[in-house]
Amino acid sequence: AQTVTQSQPEMSVQEAETVTLSCTYDTSESDYYLFWYKQPPSRQMILVIRQEAYKQQNATENRFSVNFQKAAKSFSLKISDSQLGDAAMYFCAYRSSKTSYDKVIFGPGTSLSVIP
Amino acid sequence: SAVISQKPSRDICQRGTSLTIQCQVDSQVTMMFWYRQQPGQSLTLIATANQGSEATYESGFVIDKFPISRPNLTFSTLTVSNMSPEDSSIYLCSAGGWVGTEAFFGQGTRLTVV
Repeated sequence: AQTVTQSQPEMSVQEAETVTLSCTYDTSESDYYLFWYKQPPSRQMILVIRQEAYKQQNATENRFSVNFQKAAKSFSLKISDSQLGDAAMYFCAYRSSKTSYDKVIFGPGTSLSVIP
Repeated sequence: SAVISQKPSRDICQRGTSLTIQCQVDSQVTMMFWYRQQPGQSLTLIATANQGSEATYESGFVIDKFPISRPNLTFSTLTVSNMSPEDSSIYLCSAGGWVGTEAFFGQGTRLTVV
């Protein structure tokens, strides 16, 4: 069974600085998808970024980028120029690519605080 | 993408009663998923609902406690039955239907059982 681990329960970053959130996962599959979701106090789950395992190039979305190391099964999220609105819970997630019926498996989450 | 409307957004219920949570998707989706998120915790999958068949429940969750309906490709309900304070959580519905796509989420229902 696949598992997702986030070793940092809490992180903080100074506004305008850069922070990296860690994620590791375990799977025996070769094709899969990885995601970072953000959950602000509003509870709404917001997709931050996604990465296809078959792509070597790291995904980037504006201030958000990932460092995907397939062999190490590592998928970290870098947030540049942190803003107050980035404060939230961040969940790393895994989804198999075998079928459209596969559930998304979430890590335990990292609570990010942004210090003005 | 898909937009998901979930209601109610919150409720306070008496123990021993039941609450039905509704989830409406703005497009047809193959699978819908129901998650529970206890305070300060991650999302735990309750069950997967496919239209036209019985839901598939994860270990630790049973149909008698969490009956699910999936009458069509855009709608699903989750009922939390015979509630106790331990059922106080956020419940989220999610939809997906395409290989490898991200899951889309409703706004969540914050349930408090007193």
